Amino acid sequence: AQSVTQLDSHVSVSEGTPVLLRCNYSSSYSPSLFWYVQHPNKGLQLLLKYTSAATLVKGINGFEAEFKKSETSFHLTKPSAHMSDAAEYFCVVSDPLGEYNNNDMRFGAGTRLTVKP
Amino acid sequence: DTGVSQDPRHKITKRGQNVTFRCDPISEHNRLYWYRQTLGQGPEFLTYFQNEAQLEKSRLLSDRFSAERPKGSFSTLEIQRTEQGDSAMYLCASSLGAGFEKLFFGSGTQLSVL
Repeated sequence: AQSVTQLDSHVSVSEGTPVLLRCNYSSSYSPSLFWYVQHPNKGLQLLLKYTSAATLVKGINGFEAEFKKSETSFHLTKPSAHMSDAAEYFCVVSDPLGEYNNNDMRFGAGTRLTVKP
Repeated sequence: DTGVSQDPRHKITKRGQNVTFRCDPISEHNRLYWYRQTLGQGPEFLTYFQNEAQLEKSRLLSDRFSAERPKGSFSTLEIQRTEQGDSAMYLCASSLGAGFEKLFFGSGTQLSVL
């Protein structure tokens, strides 16, 4: 069975400061991991994915995440927050091939990012 | 705009009533998925179609839920005898081929059961 824990339900940063959204996973094998963003009244949008290639993954809008097997973590970072980054962020774990078994895919509970001017 | 359309955006119903939601995927996408997202939680998988065939359902899906995709294009999700616990955002997603990263999500239908 797989599971994913997002360690913070809410993160607040000032514009121009770094962003860190934390995600830990549990899996019986080396999984595929994803980060999605959900803006109000918009569909979920893929930020980045990890599928056993490079452990540092770069995504859209300046976001990146590092896969650390020893820590079972996949934290999302951005060097400098922008007002438009305010949204809900979800960490997702699925099977290693990404051709996933839907019943084994798990979303985290989400982290709401607030960006202060 | 992701191109996946869901209708209605909001639905308020009384407990015990039946409701139906519609999803129009991106036109060339052969796969269609339904998810449910409750307040403070991430989406959870409900069911999945490849073309018109329903290939997988959540192990936790109640038999009050049924979904169809009759011509391999749009899909409907029906909930019979709604309960207050059914209140949630119902999300639809579509993709061309396999791979979670290929999913495009709609903005969802918010269901409130009174």
